[in-house]
Formats: sequence, structure tokens, C-alpha cells
Amino acid sequence: DAGITQSPRYKITETGRQVTLMCHQTWSHSYMFWYRQDLGHGLRLIYYSAAADITDKGEVPDGYVVSRSKTENFPLTLESATRSQTSVYFCASSDPISGVGAGGELFFGEGSRLTVL
Amino acid sequence: RKEVEQDPGPFNVPEGATVAFNCTYSNSASQSFFWYRQDCRKEPKLLMSVYSSGNEDGRFTAQLNRASQYISLLIRDSKLSDSATYLCVVKRNTGNQFYFGTGTSLTVIP
Repeated sequence: DAGITQSPRYKITETGRQVTLMCHQTWSHSYMFWYRQDLGHGLRLIYYSAAADITDKGEVPDGYVVSRSKTENFPLTLESATRSQTSVYFCASSDPISGVGAGGELFFGEGSRLTVL
Repeated sequence: RKEVEQDPGPFNVPEGATVAFNCTYSNSASQSFFWYRQDCRKEPKLLMSVYSSGNEDGRFTAQLNRASQYISLLIRDSKLSDSATYLCVVKRNTGNQFYFGTGTSLTVIP
């Protein structure tokens, strides 16, 4: 199905382990985003990408790494997970120019729920 | 000051009631405006875009006041299924950056 998909949907890991959350979109949207959502903080931007091989930091980038070698994929890696990174992570995409969402809105994946013990 | 501010609520209203949510944004360079709906433990989904002239979609009406940097969402004839968190989202077209309010919680009571 077309859209934006995240995997895994649920993940439990231990402090210090590396974790990668995957995000894949089929609309060829130029922009992709990673947000985390925690009670009391709302959605906070971790990293975003304007195109393949172009990434930039958001509000809370520390402890995270991203890459975007292909337009459709935007993985998020926690290099050494900490308990404070327990959260719900949402990937999103947008294209301000054309295609699906030509109104410029943001489309979200279903989220990845990460627990760091 | 936060980019986008919303009253977090919660709003608890009876079925059939009319409820209004407000949102203010701080940056006059903001150019696009949206209301998103988020159900518990699910992803936000676009409810409606907000246009300068105001717009309506069934029971939902959105208004934008650029001079006051204020956005509103009115829900008429509330249904139980309207229970959710409503997020105000503001976008700057330069850099395609989105800014979110923390959301307003609505519970419609039978």
C-alpha cells in the first residue's frame, strides 16, 4: 500500500544498545522528518531531510543519527540508547510542491514505540 | 515564547454541544495552517487546512486571523467519535518547517 510506514512498531531494548527505526514512504516526497512525542512536550523535531543526502538537526538531535541515501527511506539510529529516549517516534513526510499532499501538509507514519530499560 | 500555543484543556462536553479551540502563533512569517487530530496512541492525521477566508468541512469550521496571529476550530453537534486530541500546526514555507501546539484534549460525553 502507498503511504508512509515505520518499523518496528514496538521495540524494547536495553541501555547502551544501538537501535535503528526505519521509515519508508512511497510518495517520493522530498521532505522527511523524525519527531518524538512525550507527555507534556508534544511533538519535538529530532532531524529532518529536505532531499536525499541532505539532513539537518531539529530541536532535540542529541543521541540520534540519521541518513538518507534514497528519497524513500529515512532511518533513525539511537547510537547508545538511554532511558530518556523512551518515547513514541513518528516519521513524517511532506512535499511542498506537488503530488500527494500538494497542500503542503504533513503525513505521519503509525509510530514506533520504543522502551529503553 | 513557544511558536504555537494552545489551551491543553481538557474539554469535556456533552454530545451535541458546540466546542471551540483556539491557538496562537508567534511568528508572523508563518504561512500555512492546519488542524490535526490525534487519537490515543496513534499518529496525528490531518483534519483540515485553514485558509485566510475561513473554511468549513461538515461540522468543522476553521478560522484564521493573521493580524492577531490566531487560529480557531469550531466543532458543532459534537459526536462521541470526536473525542481526541486536536493539534494546531503552523508551517513556514521557507524550509518547509512545521510547528506544533501541544494539543487540546476533547472528550465528548454521552
